[in-house]
Amino acid sequence: EVQLVESGGGLVQPGRSLRLSCTASGFTFGDSAMSWFRQAPGKGLEWVGFIRIKAYGATTEYAASVKDRFMISRDDSKSIAYLQMNSLKTEDTAVYYCTKYSSGLAWSWGQGTLVTVSS
Amino acid sequence: EIVLTQSPGTLSLSPGERATLSCRASQSISSSYLAWYQQKPGQAPRLLIYGVSSRATGIPDRFSGSGSGADFTLVISRLEPEDFAVYYCQHYGSSRAFGQGTKVEIK
Repeated sequence: EVQLVESGGGLVQPGRSLRLSCTASGFTFGDSAMSWFRQAPGKGLEWVGFIRIKAYGATTEYAASVKDRFMISRDDSKSIAYLQMNSLKTEDTAVYYCTKYSSGLAWSWGQGTLVTVSS
Repeated sequence: EIVLTQSPGTLSLSPGERATLSCRASQSISSSYLAWYQQKPGQAPRLLIYGVSSRATGIPDRFSGSGSGADFTLVISRLEPEDFAVYYCQHYGSSRAFGQGTKVEIK
């Protein structure tokens, strides 16, 4: 069974950084692209970005709203995907979800971790 | 940039009734890159439909998707108690845009 567990969320001040982790199990992590989505309180879903597998250079793509501030990476030896968030803004406040990603689709989701950006 | 508009915003129905949800794109979606997700309160979303009409693994056949071009529909043929949730459509092509969601609530 695919399991994805996000961690690292919390309260952070505007302008600061935070790194989220997504620990995966139940599938061959190195063979799967991974993606992050987010959902602001009471709002809809937003795709944040994704990372390809190493065979495709582990290249990344990002939404315009986070490009140049957020970075996704992966450690296949630990089955962990990361979301490094820099220069955080109040509008980045959301539940962040990690997903197993293929062909543009989020096939399996973690339970999410809440990030609150506030002074 | 593709914008997806879902209607209605809220659908109030009784168990056993048929639910019809609409998703309209601001321009034609090529290659059928249209998906539907279900999200229950306090839970993560779940993939229901991809490629306009293909059900994801484990999704009951009371869920069906259809449409083409810029107009798409999700139908739940007979609502079960567990189907009351928010449904999002998504273009998973270049834009990765989501609609704003339709809430299906118990009447």
